[in-house]
Amino acid sequence: DAGVIQSPRHEVTEMGQEVTLRCKPISGHDYLFWYRQTMMRGLELLIYFNNNVPIDDSGMPEDRFSAKMPNASFSTLKIQPSEPRDSAVYFCASSFVVNSPLHFGNGTRLTVT
Amino acid sequence: QQQVKQSPQSLIVQKGGISIINCAYENTAFDYFPWYQQFPGKGPALLIAIRPDVSEKKEGRFTISFNKSAKQFSLHIMDSQPGDSATYFCAATHNTNAGKSTFGDGTTLTVKP
Repeated sequence: DAGVIQSPRHEVTEMGQEVTLRCKPISGHDYLFWYRQTMMRGLELLIYFNNNVPIDDSGMPEDRFSAKMPNASFSTLKIQPSEPRDSAVYFCASSFVVNSPLHFGNGTRLTVT
Repeated sequence: QQQVKQSPQSLIVQKGGISIINCAYENTAFDYFPWYQQFPGKGPALLIAIRPDVSEKKEGRFTISFNKSAKQFSLHIMDSQPGDSATYFCAATHNTNAGKSTFGDGTTLTVKP
C-alpha cells in the first residue's frame, strides 16, 4: 500500500480565499483523522471519522473549517475564508481500529498571506 | 488541561550514547501508549508502542519503560545514531474515547557524530 496520500504538499493562498486539502487513507482503515501542527500548539486533532461518519469535530477551530468524507477512500478539509493564522501543516492520518497505530500522510504545508 | 506532558523539549546526545525521553499522563483510562518519530517534511511515523499490561517493551535499540503507578512512560534509544536525529512524540489513547490520541509536545533529538 502507498500509505496515506495527501495533496497538495504545499499551498500558498491569500487571505479570504478558499482552501481545500485532500486525503486518501490506507485501504481498509476505518478511522480517519485530520490534525494540524504548529510550533505554538503542537499536534492538534481537528476532526475524526469512523466508517466515513464524523464522530468528533470538537477540535475544529471555527465555522470556517469543514471536513467531509464522501467515501472510504477520500476526505477533504476545507477552510473558507482562509486567514493568516490558519498557516500550519495539516496532516491526515488513518488507523485500522481503535487504539491502533496512526498512519500519517506527509502533510500539506499551508501558508496564508 | 494538557493530559500528556513530555520532557525534555530538546536533547543533544553524542553518537553511541543513550537518549531518554519522558512522558507523564493524568488520565488513568489511557490504555495505549505509542511513540512517533518525525523527520522534517514528513508525517509522524509509529516507532514503538506499549499497553499497560507490561512494564517494558524492546524493539532493537528502542525500549519503552512503563510505570503504571506513577503514570509515566519513557523512551530509551540505545547506541544513538545521527540518523536518529528527529522529533519524537509520545501519545496516549483510550478505548472509551474511540481512539482519539493525546500527544505530548515533542522532543527534538540531535545526535552528534
